[in-house]
Amino acid sequence: AAGVIQSPRHLIKEKRETATLKCYPIPRHDTVYWYQQGPGQDPQFLISFYEKMQSDKGSIPDRFSAQQFSDYHSELNMSSLELGDSALYFCASSFGQEPFTLHFGNGTRLTVT
Amino acid sequence: AQSVAQPEDQVNVAEGNPLTVKCTYSVSGNPYLFWYVQYPNRGLQFLLKYITGDNLVKGSYGFEAEFNKSQTSFHLKKPSALVSDSALYFCAALMDTGRRALTFGSGTRLQVQP
Repeated sequence: AAGVIQSPRHLIKEKRETATLKCYPIPRHDTVYWYQQGPGQDPQFLISFYEKMQSDKGSIPDRFSAQQFSDYHSELNMSSLELGDSALYFCASSFGQEPFTLHFGNGTRLTVT
Repeated sequence: AQSVAQPEDQVNVAEGNPLTVKCTYSVSGNPYLFWYVQYPNRGLQFLLKYITGDNLVKGSYGFEAEFNKSQTSFHLKKPSALVSDSALYFCAALMDTGRRALTFGSGTRLQVQP
């Protein structure tokens, strides 16, 4: 079965650089979520989109932005990167008729040096 | 504010023994509760959820969880642990409002010894 695809799997950036993370949800899933998981921490909700509109906002820094495109894929844009942004970034998707079952991708590991 | 607590950082159990991973919650309204499992360098995999109905919920890989409203708990259980069950387990909660974002507990590392 198709799963949530995230790219890239690993990304190394320097401080003050920008990064773009991509997420391709499971086909027919209409909602995308972004989570950040720091080392040894639980996932923290950043932002979500339903039918290409922002549906909820969590602890996403102002330096970050995200959007969901017409094909339902989503991108998380991160600017002015800081060392503290080093984390695993997960995308998850869900389907309207089963809205509470999130399917997670394998994540993008971002390392800021 | 809603919160999820997993009081144990790590649970150790011998293979073949029953296992329990504890979770308590604090949400207003009707809680929607979930268990996810995470293997190293992987995303979270859905195990089971409680939305409504029977308090005992059966999920993937032989896991089950019991919703206890009076104790505000949603403990994960399995009658007979496998070494391959060793992983990081997260309990999560969602309020029955328009917000769709899960709140996760801090995670419990399950170590099953052969």
